[in-house]
Amino acid sequence: EDQVTQSPEALRLQEGESSSLNCSYTVSGLRGLFWYRQDPGKGPEFLFTLYSAGEEKEKERLKATLTKKESFLHITAPKPEDSATYLCAVQANTGNQFYFGTGTSLTVIP
Amino acid sequence: DARVTQTPRHKVTEMGQEVTMRCQPILGHNTVFWYRQTMMQGLELLAYFRNRAPLDDSGMPKDRFSAEMPDATLATLKIQPSEPRDSAVYFCASGLGSGGEQETQYFGPGTRLLVL
Repeated sequence: EDQVTQSPEALRLQEGESSSLNCSYTVSGLRGLFWYRQDPGKGPEFLFTLYSAGEEKEKERLKATLTKKESFLHITAPKPEDSATYLCAVQANTGNQFYFGTGTSLTVIP
Repeated sequence: DARVTQTPRHKVTEMGQEVTMRCQPILGHNTVFWYRQTMMQGLELLAYFRNRAPLDDSGMPKDRFSAEMPDATLATLKIQPSEPRDSAVYFCASGLGSGGEQETQYFGPGTRLLVL
């Protein structure tokens, strides 16, 4: 069964304290893995797409990496404005389904 | 600034009433998704259209939910009759859907539905 699991559910960091969020997936052939950021009361906002193991993408303080079983979202020297819920989604090669994880709620304390 | 719009933003209704939610995808996008988000289940894909044709609606309760795209600028999600367990935030997303980066989805602000 295709599924996506994110950990931890919640993470509190001091400003400047780097960390990583995990997205583990099982899917019958990966077409793409997507990272989104969601602020309270808003729709998810696209961050990155990854397609193959070994691929990495960066944007400001965020870097996403991908292996055959999981993806990491690394946050370097986070700021309070990075506080949000980070969602991971996968699209399988078979069918048209997109599977979302339940997210990691990140709080960065000044 | 192209963005997905959804109406209404908030809806409170009584059990048994019909609810219609509307979505205007980004101009030029040919793929439209409907999601439901709850605290317990997270984001669940309900239905998925490409070029106005339904590609997948396996996540949608068929007995009470229906989704349509009357034209390229309007997608609708209807619940009839509504039940308290339908209370959630319903998101519409659109994309270019041509593979690769084109599979990126752009989400609307959501419709927050409360069924009493």
